[in-house]
Amino acid sequence: SQTIHQWPATLVQPVGSPLSLECTVEGTSNPNLYWYRQAAGRGLQLLFYSVGIGQISSEVPQNLSASRPQDRQFILSSKKLLLSDSGFYLCASDRQGASGNTIYFGEGSWLTVV
Amino acid sequence: AQTVTQSQPEMSVQEAETVTLSCTYDTSESDYYLFWYKQPPSRQMILVIRQEAYKQQNATENRFSVNFQKAAKSFSLKISDSQLGDAAMYFCAYRSIIQGAQKLVFGQGTRLTINP
Repeated sequence: SQTIHQWPATLVQPVGSPLSLECTVEGTSNPNLYWYRQAAGRGLQLLFYSVGIGQISSEVPQNLSASRPQDRQFILSSKKLLLSDSGFYLCASDRQGASGNTIYFGEGSWLTVV
Repeated sequence: AQTVTQSQPEMSVQEAETVTLSCTYDTSESDYYLFWYKQPPSRQMILVIRQEAYKQQNATENRFSVNFQKAAKSFSLKISDSQLGDAAMYFCAYRSIIQGAQKLVFGQGTRLTINP
């Protein structure tokens, strides 16, 4: 099975500051990678997904961006945070090419923008 | 676009009893997967059970089972012999394929409380 590491686990940032959340995956190669956000009391919403190095697709327009510099590394960034960026961010991965395969989630990163 | 609706924001059940969580979805696809995820206070997303739409037989995993009604687009989760460790947020999710990746669309969640 896959293991997903996310850091930092908790982050408090002022409005207008930059953001970098990192995610790395162990136990697989060439995975699909995902960033989800969970606002308070809500379900998860897919923000970005990547099927390969340098390939990023965005699901919703927003203040955030994603990058995949290595096969098993996925980074969520912002140049200037907004209050509305606060939330719980989850990185996820699955194995390419297998229909209905299990999607694994990391332990998440709490972001509070103040 | 697919949507998932969980109409019960909160549910409670006595320990050892049975509880059913409701989920409906909307889609024009004929082949898809449905999932139930559990999110305890640690916030880790844990897969509870999944159902392939082409299978008529309802999925079961130990004390967890689903009632999948494809024509009604309904996918409820039944938890038998409820245990204190079952207390969590439960999310229903629909999976679609986008450019070789899997997109999960989640419902709003149901908070389940287990009364001792």
